[in-house]
Amino acid sequence: DTEVTQTPKHLVMGMTNKKSLKCEQHMGHRAMYWYKQKAKKPPELMFVYSYEKLSINESVPSRFSPECPNSSLLNLHLHALQPEDSALYLCASSQAGSPDTQYFGPGTRLTVL
Amino acid sequence: DQQVKQNSPSLSVQEGRISILNCDYTNSMFDYFLWYKKYPAEGPTFLISISSIKDKNEDGRFTVFLNKSAKHLSLHIVPSQPGDSAVYFCAARVFNTDKLIFGTGTRLQVFP
Repeated sequence: DTEVTQTPKHLVMGMTNKKSLKCEQHMGHRAMYWYKQKAKKPPELMFVYSYEKLSINESVPSRFSPECPNSSLLNLHLHALQPEDSALYLCASSQAGSPDTQYFGPGTRLTVL
Repeated sequence: DQQVKQNSPSLSVQEGRISILNCDYTNSMFDYFLWYKKYPAEGPTFLISISSIKDKNEDGRFTVFLNKSAKHLSLHIVPSQPGDSAVYFCAARVFNTDKLIFGTGTRLQVFP
């Protein structure tokens, strides 16, 4: 199983809402990633978890809050987002220390009204 | 400041011919380079990678070339097939970290 799943596929939320994005993998990978991708732009790294600990935070605003409850799950909690946060949010996983082969999920398309 | 650049936003190639996708980088602190393919409504799919200590890596129809002195890499697809039509991203790993920096992507279209 080389699949990374993400839910929901689409999410529309207001600026005062609280929502969460979920990501799951069962490949035994111990590194998991959140990326943000705007239209016609490359994916931009947001967070990296290695062995369930946050190892990289790319100066992401605190309205984005990641969580890694166990080695298979990765969440991204959203609160008080802005319309410019609308984007495709991609989750990926890899063997820890081997980010050169990351498996990506299909993404969650987020629209903030 | 875009550290990884793909200067051609699109490329059109006839089926059976060679597709060459190019990528330039400005930072020497990368130890791996990768190519990903992305179809609409899907996440990127890993294609092939190359270590910074090598100059060529081949996997089936895909070959990646690295020219360190020019800070340039390229992906060759031979022969090109219609199913190869997608957006291709090059990416570079920051040395000894879990961080990948992606290029802006090149949309490849392979026509019959």
